[in-house]
Amino acid sequence: DIQMTQSPSTLSASVGDRVTISCRASQSIGTWLAWYQQKPGKAPKLLIYKASILETGVPSRFSGSGSGTEFTLTISSLQPDDFATYYCQQYNSFSYTFGQGTKLEIK
Amino acid sequence: QVQLVQSGAEVKKPGASVKVSCKASGYTFSDYYIHWVRQAPGQGLEWMGWISPNSGDTNYAQKFQGRVTMTRDTSITTAYMDLSRLRSDDTAIYYCVRDGAVAPKNDAFDIWGQGTMVTVPS
Repeated sequence: DIQMTQSPSTLSASVGDRVTISCRASQSIGTWLAWYQQKPGKAPKLLIYKASILETGVPSRFSGSGSGTEFTLTISSLQPDDFATYYCQQYNSFSYTFGQGTKLEIK
Repeated sequence: QVQLVQSGAEVKKPGASVKVSCKASGYTFSDYYIHWVRQAPGQGLEWMGWISPNSGDTNYAQKFQGRVTMTRDTSITTAYMDLSRLRSDDTAIYYCVRDGAVAPKNDAFDIWGQGTMVTVPS
């Protein structure tokens, strides 16, 4: 199975900060990578798919990059609504694995 | 609008089975795989498997093979996930999720149900 490792596990930041979350795959997955945002008590929400394509309706301050085994989610200017937990997910060849999550907290 | 609506919370005894339903609306049910993902309290997301609503074909994560059965009823656009021989560590929120690509392709998970809490007291 492909393992996904996110870093950091927790990130403290302030409104207006630029933040980056990393995700590493244990083997190459091309660009078959998605990012999700989850708030307490809610289902996850798709933000980015195919590593860099923004889901409809997602603010442009979110962006994704990478290919192969190294991927990044960037939020260009944090807004109060962005404090949540973020998960990466690989979906290469009909196998699916999530990272362990990154909790974005208010500093 | 496109949505998945799941059945309500369940409390089950160890060794019992649970069946969670997922009613799809707002799109052509047979065109998109339905996945099941679970999340234990305070933990991350775990993929369990998928079903093709068109053919009924399934693909289960190895961890759940032998204990999970995914079915569907196309006449009522509903998918089901049955998990047997429940243990306390099966306590989790179970989500049904739509695949973002028209079958047989696959993509990220674009529509999520609201989740169903299944509790298995120890």
